[in-house]
Amino acid sequence: DVKVTQSSRYLVKRTGEKVFLECVQDMDHENMFWYRQDPGLGLRLIYFSYDVKMKEKGDIPEGYSVSREKKERFSLILESASTNQTSMYLCASSLGWGQGAYEQYFGPGTRLTVT
Amino acid sequence: GNSVTQMEGPVTLSEEAFLTINCTYTATGYPSLFWYVQYPGEGLQLLLKATKADDKGSNKGFEATYRKETTSFHLEKGSVQVSDSAVYFCALTGGGNKLTFGTGTQLKVEL
Repeated sequence: DVKVTQSSRYLVKRTGEKVFLECVQDMDHENMFWYRQDPGLGLRLIYFSYDVKMKEKGDIPEGYSVSREKKERFSLILESASTNQTSMYLCASSLGWGQGAYEQYFGPGTRLTVT
Repeated sequence: GNSVTQMEGPVTLSEEAFLTINCTYTATGYPSLFWYVQYPGEGLQLLLKATKADDKGSNKGFEATYRKETTSFHLEKGSVQVSDSAVYFCALTGGGNKLTFGTGTQLKVEL
C-alpha cells in the first residue's frame, strides 16, 4: 500500500515564525502536492512538484514556498507564519504519467494553528 | 477554468436510507472525474473514478455515472451505514496531473 506520512498531526506556532511541514512518500511517485483544507472552501492547491528540484505554483502560493531535494520528500515552508495560515495542510503524491497519474494518495494531514 | 460544484451539507440520513450527493462540473476538453472520501481524522482516499462519458465508477456499494450532457457526476448508494459517515469530495482533472476539488459534502448516518 502507498503510504504518505506527514511530520506532525498537530502544530502550534507563533506569528512570524518560520514553519516547516514535511511529507514523505514510499512509492517512488514522481508527483507530490501540498493543499490546504478550510471549511466551505474544500481543498486548494498551494504548490506541486513533478520531479526533484522542480516545482510549480498552485492556486494559492502566496506566503508559502516548497523544497524537493529528494524524490520521496516534499517540504512546505511558511517563511513568516500569519494567523490566516491557520488551517489543515494535506500532502499527496501520484505517479508521473498515464491513468495512474490521476489518483492521488493523501497523508493524514497537519492541523496548524498560528497564534 | 475548471470548477466543481457540490451540494452543501451536512446531509443527515438514517441507516439503510438511499444516498445521493450531487456534483456538477465545468471543464474544457474531456476531464476525468473522481469521488474522494475523508473519514474523521484521516486524509482523503479515492472512492471511485470515471475517465470518459457514460462510464460508471463503483466501489464499496457507491456508484457514479459520468454524464457529459448534464456535466454531472452524482454519487449514489442504495443503503448507507453508520460507517459511511465522512466528508465526500467530487474532483476532476482536465489534463496534467492537477485535481480540482469541490468544497466537500459532509454525510452523517444515524441509527
